[in-house]
Amino acid sequence: RKEVEQDPGPFNVPEGATVAFNCTYSNSASQSFFWYRQDCRKEPKLLMSVYSSGNEDGRFTTQLNRASQYISLLIRDSKLSDSATYLCVVRRGSARQLTFGSGTQLTVLP
Amino acid sequence: DAMVIQNPRYQVTQFGKPVTLSCSQTLNHNVMYWYQQKSSQAPKLLFHYYDKDFNNEADTPDNFQSRRPNTSFCFLDIRSPGLGDAAMYLCAIGYEQYFGPGTRLTVT
Repeated sequence: RKEVEQDPGPFNVPEGATVAFNCTYSNSASQSFFWYRQDCRKEPKLLMSVYSSGNEDGRFTTQLNRASQYISLLIRDSKLSDSATYLCVVRRGSARQLTFGSGTQLTVLP
Repeated sequence: DAMVIQNPRYQVTQFGKPVTLSCSQTLNHNVMYWYQQKSSQAPKLLFHYYDKDFNNEADTPDNFQSRRPNTSFCFLDIRSPGLGDAAMYLCAIGYEQYFGPGTRLTVT
């Protein structure tokens, strides 16, 4: 079983739609959680850190459920520029290494 | 200004011909990472440095080596590239891992 699992998609949604991505992690020692965005043939870029109580940044909202070992990312009012692959990322304890999921591909259609 | 610079951006090498990829950073961060990413896959950590302390992942092939001569620079050496080593190679710095633009390696 992979340490971080995501639905690969693709998700094709119209502009203005709300879309949610889910991620599960298998290691209960995971302590820090992130969402990265990766555009086609580009490097991953940090989108948001995920905090215990959930957090919001504009149109983006994250949630964390430690009991279920589940993380989500919600994008409201999708824009064409949101089209990308979204990577769920976890860190075990205070380790320096991050473990990446394979990503969920999003295409926002005009 | 870019924090992480990778050269070259595209590299073509022949099967079995050693190749070196380079990464430099402008922030003097003590942690640097090398990842391999193949199409539609997660970035896979090869190794990382904490200062001069080298940390190899257990499943990184011996064919991959690294050097960090100073805080700013880190090199990835592929001693005998195979066709399966064709990938994007990403360098990252810092605990939240700011990535460079990557080097796309083609093996012919």
